[in-house]
Amino acid sequence: EAGVVQSPRYKIIEKKQPVAFWCNPISGHNTLYWYLQNLGQGPELLIRYENEEAVDDSQLPKDRFSAERLKGVDSTLKIQPAELGDSAVYLCASSSGRGLGYTDTQYFGPGTRLTVL
Amino acid sequence: GIQVEQSPPDLILQEGANSTLRCNFSDSVNNLQWFHQNPWGQLINLFYIPSGTKQNGRLSATTVATERYSLLYISSSQTTDSGVYFCAVAPGTASKLTFGTGTRLQVTL
Repeated sequence: EAGVVQSPRYKIIEKKQPVAFWCNPISGHNTLYWYLQNLGQGPELLIRYENEEAVDDSQLPKDRFSAERLKGVDSTLKIQPAELGDSAVYLCASSSGRGLGYTDTQYFGPGTRLTVL
Repeated sequence: GIQVEQSPPDLILQEGANSTLRCNFSDSVNNLQWFHQNPWGQLINLFYIPSGTKQNGRLSATTVATERYSLLYISSSQTTDSGVYFCAVAPGTASKLTFGTGTRLQVTL
């Protein structure tokens, strides 16, 4: 069974440029999460989807970040414009949705490492 | 929000040694999970353990919810155990997880 797929694995951009990350969850997983992980810290949730619906986006900086999950499968996270402080690893995870809330086992992708110059 | 402290921040072991990692949290939780992030960045769920004790091979975990701490035990450590171990908690099952800053473990030959 394929795991969570993310692309690109690495991205280097200049500040003020736009950037997008793509995530393909494990087949059949209804719940999808985007996390941000700064160097030396644990992941922080940005947004959680149940199928197509964003059920928890309270941590997403909506002035520059946006996300979508069309058809309830793949998801895209976008930053426009990027700032120096956005340099981090962006992790995508998915879970079956059969568990209770956030107790459901989350399966993480390898992440996208973003560097903003 | 809930605070999560992990100790020690860094740990170096020789292969075969045992270790105990600790997670303290500031408020009552109904969701506590342990994760391992390997040196290449892959994050894997180890345990869902809001209370009680669980074992999986050489790893086991105990959470004493009333005293607001959890312990992760690694026995007969191997080099593949290297990486960062995160504890993540939430006050309710519908609340997002708050991750600690992790314990970085290095197992040497």
